[in-house]
Amino acid sequence: QSALTQPASVSGSPGQSITFSCTGTSSDVGSYNLLSWYQQHPGKAPKLMIYEGSKRPSGVSNRFSGSKSGNTASLTISGLQAEDEADYYCCSYAGYGTYVFGTGTKVTVL
Amino acid sequence: EVQLVESGGGLVQPGGSLTLSCAASGFSFSTYWMSWLRQAPGKGLEWVASTTPDGSEKYYVDSVKGRFTVSRDNVKNSLYLHMNNLRAEDTAVYYCARDFVREVAYWGQGNLVTVSS
Repeated sequence: QSALTQPASVSGSPGQSITFSCTGTSSDVGSYNLLSWYQQHPGKAPKLMIYEGSKRPSGVSNRFSGSKSGNTASLTISGLQAEDEADYYCCSYAGYGTYVFGTGTKVTVL
Repeated sequence: EVQLVESGGGLVQPGGSLTLSCAASGFSFSTYWMSWLRQAPGKGLEWVASTTPDGSEKYYVDSVKGRFTVSRDNVKNSLYLHMNNLRAEDTAVYYCARDFVREVAYWGQGNLVTVSS
């Protein structure tokens, strides 16, 4: 149950697109489509942004998109806005009813 | 309106015990998987435990197996986390969540547990 690997920080200017990764193994990310992404603002509870790899919950902006290839998932934020500045975590099902989160990526809007 | 309200957190000594509660309202509690997740101060998220809608199956992260027990009362619409033999590394904000990997995901606001002498 080792944490998934995410870059510690990513930054971009308003209006730009950014993409960051979430790397696991063939035992988690590579084996299941239960890959989700969460946004967390300081002092707040996490918010689900993407589920099952690429699906957006109702109410989440279509500027957020997810994809997966092999053992690596990615989250893209298009048209970056100030309100997107937050921490982002990926999470994968790891079998036998267990889940593993990523190390987290801090997104900074310049 | 969906609500998940955690309670029971606080300061506890190493080796001590604590039980967290999560009161659910605004949805059909007995039909959802429920989970506990935590976040140590300044650190990332960690899945702790999950239970099936009827409570018959329970799953845990390795670091809490044998020390923590998740349970639910579908009559009282409540989820619990019984924590024994607490360690300093269990210090975290604990979140109760409904089906946290599905479209219907919903998280509580969190409850701080501090393990310290």
